[in-house]
Amino acid sequence: ILNVEQSPQSLHVQEGDSTNFTCSFPSSNFYALHWYRWETAKSPEALFVMTLNGDEKKKGRISATLNTKEGYSYLYIKGSQPEDSATYLCAFLPDSGTYKYIFGTGTRLKVLA
Amino acid sequence: DSGVTQTPKHLITATGQRVTLRCSPRSGDLSVYWYQQSLDQGLQFLIQYYNGEERAKGNILERFSAQQFPDLHSELNLSSLELGDSALYFCASSAGQGWADTQYFGPGTRLTVL
Repeated sequence: ILNVEQSPQSLHVQEGDSTNFTCSFPSSNFYALHWYRWETAKSPEALFVMTLNGDEKKKGRISATLNTKEGYSYLYIKGSQPEDSATYLCAFLPDSGTYKYIFGTGTRLKVLA
Repeated sequence: DSGVTQTPKHLITATGQRVTLRCSPRSGDLSVYWYQQSLDQGLQFLIQYYNGEERAKGNILERFSAQQFPDLHSELNLSSLELGDSALYFCASSAGQGWADTQYFGPGTRLTVL
């Protein structure tokens, strides 16, 4: 059974702090990794799609890196703002031919003003 | 607003019944994905259609079925409903069939089975 783990489960930071979370996945098979931002009572919003080892993607104050050889991806938020409060979810697609997305349980971020 | 629409927004029904959830993808998108999010589980992939054909199947129960029509809208049919089917059902769409494509999620349909 393939497992995708995200850490920490939840996080409280002060406005202006920078923070990062981890998504860990099996390193033996890799096709793609997606990051989503999911605000309460809304639907998941795509942040990044990462496909190559060493990929680095950036959108405003949020960036992500990918290491497929060791099986992890980091999501960084620079200068957190209260509007960054959300659950950050990663979804892993193994190159197993089944095309089954495997979601992590998310990191719940709360940015305190 | 992602451009993906789902109807209805809420649905309350009884055990044993059958319901149909509807999804219209973003204009131009050919793939539709269905996901289930129940209280005790995270987001689970159910099924993907690409241009009318089933492309990938996830953890979809035999009581559930889906299809994508020529106008690319999709329907998820849930039958013989059980209490445990109560969940938020999301539809997402993407331009192509590849899983590396960005997926855009709809607002979801909340199903309550009493």
